Amino acid sequence: DVKVTQSSRYLVKRTGEKVFLECVQDMDHENMFWYRQDPGLGLRLIYFSYDVKMKEKGDIPEGYSVSREKKERFSLILESASTNQTSMYLCASSLTRGPNTEAFFGQGTRLTVV
Amino acid sequence: AQSVSQHNHHVILSEAASLELGCNYSYGGTVNLFWYVQYPGQHLQLLLKYFSGDPLVKGIKGFEAEFIKSKFSFNLRKPSVQWSDTAEYFCAVNANNAGNMLTFGGGTRLMVKP
Repeated sequence: DVKVTQSSRYLVKRTGEKVFLECVQDMDHENMFWYRQDPGLGLRLIYFSYDVKMKEKGDIPEGYSVSREKKERFSLILESASTNQTSMYLCASSLTRGPNTEAFFGQGTRLTVV
Repeated sequence: AQSVSQHNHHVILSEAASLELGCNYSYGGTVNLFWYVQYPGQHLQLLLKYFSGDPLVKGIKGFEAEFIKSKFSFNLRKPSVQWSDTAEYFCAVNANNAGNMLTFGGGTRLMVKP
């Protein structure tokens, strides 16, 4: 089974802190994604990466950056956390670059910024 | 840009009732369509998917969905729901020219009363 692991289930951070969310997948998938999930808004794509050191902006990249130094690891960085970034963050991975592939999701990290 | 609409945000049904959740998308070209489910406390998982061929697709746990191209719809159905179907359901679309980007709808929270 594909496993996508997010390092924390719950995080509480202060406004202005730099926050790192880590995600690791164990199936040698090329693509990795970061979404945020908010009630009524579904999942919105923040960033994705289709290869090591490659990244592309999703629909809501402002206030975020990402890092992919190794194929299995994709990090989401909040440079200066703000209260409007309180949300559930989901990491996902998929096998090939084409669209016809299933995305596998991690358990999510619930981030609260106070 | 592609977008996805799910008409019902909350649905409450009694066990054995039939279910239909609506999903419409706004892209006119070739699309790949997905339904994901998130059970309470669990990660998102794939329920079913449509890439091509028979527009009626069957997924896990007795769910099915019908792709109607003329209506830009991909509605999810189940003839008889169970209490264990209580979950949040997300429709997602990937257009063939959108690379690896999956666009999600806002989600429908289903509660099945025993």
